[in-house]
Amino acid sequence: EAQVTQNPRYLITVTGKKLTVTCSQNMNHEYMSWYRQDPGLGLRQIYYSMNVEVTDKGDVPEGYKVSRKEKRNFPLILESPSPNQTSLYFCASSLRGLGANQPQHFGDGTRLSIL
Amino acid sequence: GIQVEQSPPDLILQEGANSTLRCNFSDSVNNLQWFHQNPWGQLINLFYIPSGTKQNGRLSATTVATERYSLLYISSSQTTDSGVYFCAVHRRNTGFQKLVFGTGTRLLVSP
Repeated sequence: EAQVTQNPRYLITVTGKKLTVTCSQNMNHEYMSWYRQDPGLGLRQIYYSMNVEVTDKGDVPEGYKVSRKEKRNFPLILESPSPNQTSLYFCASSLRGLGANQPQHFGDGTRLSIL
Repeated sequence: GIQVEQSPPDLILQEGANSTLRCNFSDSVNNLQWFHQNPWGQLINLFYIPSGTKQNGRLSATTVATERYSLLYISSSQTTDSGVYFCAVHRRNTGFQKLVFGTGTRLLVSP
């Protein structure tokens, strides 16, 4: 089944403890992206990747890192999490970049709480 | 940047009723998707519909690209249709590689 898989689905952690949210897709998609969703602010893009080893900042990249060493994986790294990074995170992928008229496929979301 | 407005912001229906949700966007788009966010937070992809009409069971969608709006129709609504419905768009050649989401329509279907 074609899907975007995020792990973990839920995490409660403490300030400053490094964490990684994994994202994997099995559709051989070139484009992958991370969004966060916050009440009143909607969904905002954090980082995106057009292909392996090609990443770029979205609207709210501060406090996050990403890497794209393999086509299928696009992990989101919080080196020193802070409470303002408490949010619902989504990973998305598409066959090509958004200019290529392709739908985006979203993972089920990761709910992060940072105390 | 492109603006996306959805209406109505909130909608309460009795089970079995029909509804129409609207998405207006401020510029031409090459990507338009409708999503349903269920009470567990999952974003379910309903339609990829930059133009034309599509149907999937009780749901259908129409995008009139030249007039910059899209409509999502829900017929014979069920309690499991409750949640938030988002329209999201992308405009080519803007230098941005992201979907721009509307503020959503919150739907509550009561038994």
